[in-house]
Amino acid sequence: NAGVTQTPKFQVLKTGQSMTLQCAQDMNHNSMYWYRQDPGMGLRLIYYSASEGTTDKGEVPNGYNVSRLNKREFSLRLESAAPSQTSVYFCASSEDTGYGYTFGSGTRLTVV
Amino acid sequence: AQSVAQPEDQVNVAEGNPLTVKCTYSVSGNPYLFWYVQYPNRGLQFLLKYITGDNLVKGSYGFEAEFNKSQTSFHLKKPSALVSDSALYFCAVSLPDKLIFGTGTRLQVFP
Repeated sequence: NAGVTQTPKFQVLKTGQSMTLQCAQDMNHNSMYWYRQDPGMGLRLIYYSASEGTTDKGEVPNGYNVSRLNKREFSLRLESAAPSQTSVYFCASSEDTGYGYTFGSGTRLTVV
Repeated sequence: AQSVAQPEDQVNVAEGNPLTVKCTYSVSGNPYLFWYVQYPNRGLQFLLKYITGDNLVKGSYGFEAEFNKSQTSFHLKKPSALVSDSALYFCAVSLPDKLIFGTGTRLQVFP
């Protein structure tokens, strides 16, 4: 089925470990986004890519890096995980913000 | 600063009663407005959007939303709530290159 696929669905890391969250979309969308969801804080934008080859910081970029590997894939990397990065991470894509987003099912990350 | 506010953390309603989930925004220009729903352990799903035209927009699952430009509000409504409507609801507003989201309102519908 067409949509946004995120891997892994669950992950537990130790403080200081690194990992990459993967995201791929098959809708030929230009723009892709990474959000984190925390209780009482809604969705906060980490990084986004308006088009292939470009990336920009969002509201909470510290501690993260991204790569827009091609039009389909947009990965999020935690170089040295911290407990404050415990969250649910969502990837989304859009043809244009006027059309809204299509979201992946999320990655639940726990840093201990 | 551009922002979206959902003033209620939780809304409780009895099944069969009408429901309203509130959203106000502070964004320059004429943004597009969206409502999304999130069921437990799932991603966000699109419900409806307002671009222009009629101030009452109809969406999925019997939901509708009323746009009020003078009050910069976009409240989500449903005439008769179902227990299955219980979920987390997010209002969002479009900027040129991204959406900004409210903090979410948990809707609890009691039998």
